[in-house]
Amino acid sequence: EVQLLESGGGLVQPGGSLRLSCAASGFTFSIYAMSWVRQAPGKGLEWVSAISDSDDTTYYADSVKGRFTISRDNSKNTLYLQVNSLRAEDTAVYYCAKDVDGYYPHYFDYWGQGTLVTVSS
Amino acid sequence: QSALTQPASVSGSPGQSITISCTGISSDVGGYNYVSWYQHHPGKAPKLVIYEVSNRPSGVSYRFSGSKSGNTASLTISGLQAEDEADYHCSSHTSSNTLVFGGGTKVTVL
Repeated sequence: EVQLLESGGGLVQPGGSLRLSCAASGFTFSIYAMSWVRQAPGKGLEWVSAISDSDDTTYYADSVKGRFTISRDNSKNTLYLQVNSLRAEDTAVYYCAKDVDGYYPHYFDYWGQGTLVTVSS
Repeated sequence: QSALTQPASVSGSPGQSITISCTGISSDVGGYNYVSWYQHHPGKAPKLVIYEVSNRPSGVSYRFSGSKSGNTASLTISGLQAEDEADYHCSSHTSSNTLVFGGGTKVTVL
């Protein structure tokens, strides 16, 4: 059974940082691209970032470019998102999602339950 | 990259059919057959219901179908059931090798 379990969310002040993690199991993690998708309160889903299977290519939404960094450790079956210079508008539930392909984002066949990031003073 | 355009809400009675539109541009919806649809019940993980415009994953009801014409994709739910009440989000691959979502549509079963 495929499982994606996010962690690392919490309350952080504007300008602060967090590292989100996503522990994957039930599939061969190293051959699939992975993404982070977020949903702000009352808003739709927003794709944030993706990383290719071998960690050599990353992709970012313009809204987070330069502030967020996606990475993965295929030996630990874990996806990460380092979020820096946080703003109020980054407040959202952050989901980890498994792509059906190995290189760039297409669509997601499995999602985690999400981890909440709240940016507030 | 601007979000795809979806109606904020759609409603229907049990047994009826409803259609949700998802409008983009030639560099996303119109240019690729990587349009997908997700069903999202609040507090749960989103679930893929349609991929590559019109394909249903294993286990998804035949009542869900997808199509595309030009820059607009559509999701149709036939034989509407109470369990279909949820938010529905479309997404598309883009020419920048990124992904873009729509704003989401709340489906209400009357």
